[in-house]
Amino acid sequence: QVQLQESGPGLVKPSETLSLTCTVSGGSISGSPYYWGWMRQSPGKGPEWIGNLYHTGTTYYNPSLKGRVTISVDTSRNEFSLKMNSVTAADTAVYYCAKFRFLEWVLGWGQGTLVTVSS
Amino acid sequence: EIVLTQSPGTLSLSPGERATLSCRASQIVSSNYFAWYQQKPGQAPRLLIYAASSRATGIPDRFSGTGSGTDFTLTISRLEPEDFAVYYCQHRLTFGGGTRVEIK
Repeated sequence: QVQLQESGPGLVKPSETLSLTCTVSGGSISGSPYYWGWMRQSPGKGPEWIGNLYHTGTTYYNPSLKGRVTISVDTSRNEFSLKMNSVTAADTAVYYCAKFRFLEWVLGWGQGTLVTVSS
Repeated sequence: EIVLTQSPGTLSLSPGERATLSCRASQIVSSNYFAWYQQKPGQAPRLLIYAASSRATGIPDRFSGTGSGTDFTLTISRLEPEDFAVYYCQHRLTFGGGTRVEIK
């Protein structure tokens, strides 16, 4: 049973870069046919897809995030990461790392980590 | 851009009753990429149904999904206490706003 765990700062200042890492255990990122990436959810809203990648490095991003996002993978550490630049208060949310069936549905989620954007 | 509209916003029912949740897409979508999730407070969402009507691993058969085109339905045949939660529909990683199923 694959498990995902997010880590990173819970508070980021406006205009700065949000950085999170997801550690995958119980399975290999590079040995699976799945995609890996990030979702977020603001209070009272539905989840929002941020982006995902395949272990080869092929990436897909939500166009609404206007090029602010980079997702990368470190297969040697069985981890992948999220960087989102120029954050504003609107980026305050619970961020989940997740396992995807391509761009179709989310097969599994981490427990989530709250990131607050505030000075 | 496809918009998914879920109704009702809140459904108040008693344990043992049948729940019918609706999701309408703003344009015709492929049922192959349609899914439903359940989310309980403080937890991540959990995949219930994929490809509109297939149950995910470990999901009880009281949950069923139907639909095609623009209209999709999640039915819970007999509500158990653990089923009171928020439910989201999703097409190709675009999510609806959710339906809360609460105890009446």
